Amino acid sequence: AQRVTQPEKLLSVFKGAPVELKCNYSYSGSPELFWYVQYSRQRLQLLLRHISRESIKGFTADLNKGETSFHLKKPFAQEEDSAMYYCALDNYGQNFVFGPGTRLSVLP
Amino acid sequence: SAVISQKPSRDICQRGTSLTIQCQVDSQVTMMFWYRQQPGQSLTLIATANQGSEATYESGFVIDKFPISRPNLTFSTLTVSNMSPEDSSIYLCSVSTGSGNTIYFGEGSWLTVV
Repeated sequence: AQRVTQPEKLLSVFKGAPVELKCNYSYSGSPELFWYVQYSRQRLQLLLRHISRESIKGFTADLNKGETSFHLKKPFAQEEDSAMYYCALDNYGQNFVFGPGTRLSVLP
Repeated sequence: SAVISQKPSRDICQRGTSLTIQCQVDSQVTMMFWYRQQPGQSLTLIATANQGSEATYESGFVIDKFPISRPNLTFSTLTVSNMSPEDSSIYLCSVSTGSGNTIYFGEGSWLTVV
């Protein structure tokens, strides 16, 4: 079955430190993966998707098919990065499967 | 992208009553979904709202409890029937524009059942 796991419920880092939010998936075929972010009192919004190979707000994510991972990284965390982050998988174009989410807290 | 409006944004409901949530999109979209996000938990897909036909429900969700309508390509409703405190949750409408398979979310409807 298609599944997305995010092993850390909470991740705390200091401002300026590197951050890595882990995401692993199980999927048959070529996966399409996304990271969504939810800032306090705001709607869930797309952060980035692997097919775009883009960097948004300093975040990048590389799809590693060998390790079935799509970890989200940023070299220098900012306080405004504090939010809930969800890794998501496009389920054969039918719907999306979301991971449990990781709450990132960037400390001053 | 798509702009999604959900109503109500928040409500407190009595046990045993039903509430209908509306989702309006500013453009025609191929797929509309309803998710539930219970306190402190991730998003769980309830169903895919199909235009002109019955919704497709995920395991654990049934039409009698969560009837869904989708009369056209820009509008859908989700009804939470015979509510109990366990139904207290955020209900999210989301849409796929079919472009890059990205989905977009409404702001959510916070329901508290007392």
